Amino acid sequence: GENVEQHPSTLSVQEGDSAVIKCTYSDSASNYFPWYKQELGKGPQLIIDIRSNVGEKKDQRIAVTLNKTAKHFSLHITETQPEDSAVYFCAATSGNTPLVFGKGTRLSVIA
Amino acid sequence: NAGVTQTPKFRILKIGQSMTLQCTQDMNHNYMYWYRQDPGMGLKLIYYSVGAGITDKGEVPNGYNVSRSTTEDFPLRLELAAPSQTSVYFCASSPLTGGNEQFFGPGTRLTVL
Repeated sequence: GENVEQHPSTLSVQEGDSAVIKCTYSDSASNYFPWYKQELGKGPQLIIDIRSNVGEKKDQRIAVTLNKTAKHFSLHITETQPEDSAVYFCAATSGNTPLVFGKGTRLSVIA
Repeated sequence: NAGVTQTPKFRILKIGQSMTLQCTQDMNHNYMYWYRQDPGMGLKLIYYSVGAGITDKGEVPNGYNVSRSTTEDFPLRLELAAPSQTSVYFCASSPLTGGNEQFFGPGTRLTVL
């Protein structure tokens, strides 16, 4: 089955700097790669996703890149703000099975 | 729409007690999921359902049971609570499996003493 590795487990950045979180997956059949943000005391919420027919996707300050050959994908947050502080999860699936999540990255944005 | 709702928000159980975690969604989604979240361990799938009357095991099903009698409800049952089941439980739903957004509830924090 699919296995998703996520790094780093914790990340601290200064406000205004960029943050990058990386994930690798094992199943070459995986074709959908979402990223979820979990704020303290809440359930995870989808912030961006990418499908295997696209190499990059942007939404304002957030972008996701996908390298199918290397089986890895990354989340990029630019101009970080204190409200970006949260736990971020990557996930992967082939589309026929439930999502497999990484272990999460705790991002702290220091004002 | 309320989305995905879970009750209770918090619960303390004694070892060996039983309880049911409730989950309801009002988005008419076919797929529903139960996850547990342990500190630093991400989200692990317990059970999922592809529609009323159909359930399947996830990664960590031992010690839990589920049922899906309606599209809206997907309760999770703990029969004999153990300290290892201390965790935060999240219910989620999606219109389809896999390549579609999952909508999560607010979670139930369960402590077994």
